[in-house]
Amino acid sequence: AQSVSQHNHHVILSEAASLELGCNYSYGGTVNLFWYVQYPGQHLQLLLKYFSGDPLVKGIKGFEAEFIKSKFSFNLRKPSVQWSDTAEYFCAVTTGGYNKLIFGAGTRLAVHP
Amino acid sequence: DSGVTQTPKHLITATGQRVTLRCSPRSGDLSVYWYQQSLDQGLQFLIQYYNGEERAKGNILERFSAQQFPDLHSELNLSSLELGDSALYFCASSPPPGNTEAFFGQGTRLTVV
Repeated sequence: AQSVSQHNHHVILSEAASLELGCNYSYGGTVNLFWYVQYPGQHLQLLLKYFSGDPLVKGIKGFEAEFIKSKFSFNLRKPSVQWSDTAEYFCAVTTGGYNKLIFGAGTRLAVHP
Repeated sequence: DSGVTQTPKHLITATGQRVTLRCSPRSGDLSVYWYQQSLDQGLQFLIQYYNGEERAKGNILERFSAQQFPDLHSELNLSSLELGDSALYFCASSPPPGNTEAFFGQGTRLTVV
């Protein structure tokens, strides 16, 4: 069965620092990849997604992610974080046509002013 | 606002009781997914319905059941509740099969006392 691993459970950064959150998945076939964000007390919102094409995907709020097929990775990056980026970030994968999302354990990001 | 509506937002009930959580998907979405989010288990996929039929089953307990009605809304029934069932229950919906993301509701926070 497919699974998703997120390497960092908690990340603490200062504003303007760069961010990279790791995500690896285990599945040998074609995958769709996602990063969702959950702000405190809110529902999950899509940051970005990869289905095919350019492996460097740009999302909302200045986030981007790079799909590296050979490494089964889909790391999330942002060059300069803001206090408002404090949230929990989830990497997720779907396989097949029915969009059942399998989530990683999540990474809690705290950005200090 | 994702367009997915969940009711109620909060629910407090006693052990051994039964509750029903309701989800209205986005207009036009045929798939509904239920997820459980808890501190120790993270985001767990429970079950998926597509146009009224069960499509995929995840880590759903036998005490839990779900259905999707002809108007496409869905209900998740939780019975013989235990303290460990306390969690945030999310519903998500997505359009017909294809490369698309799931849209999440605000969740129902269930507290079993």
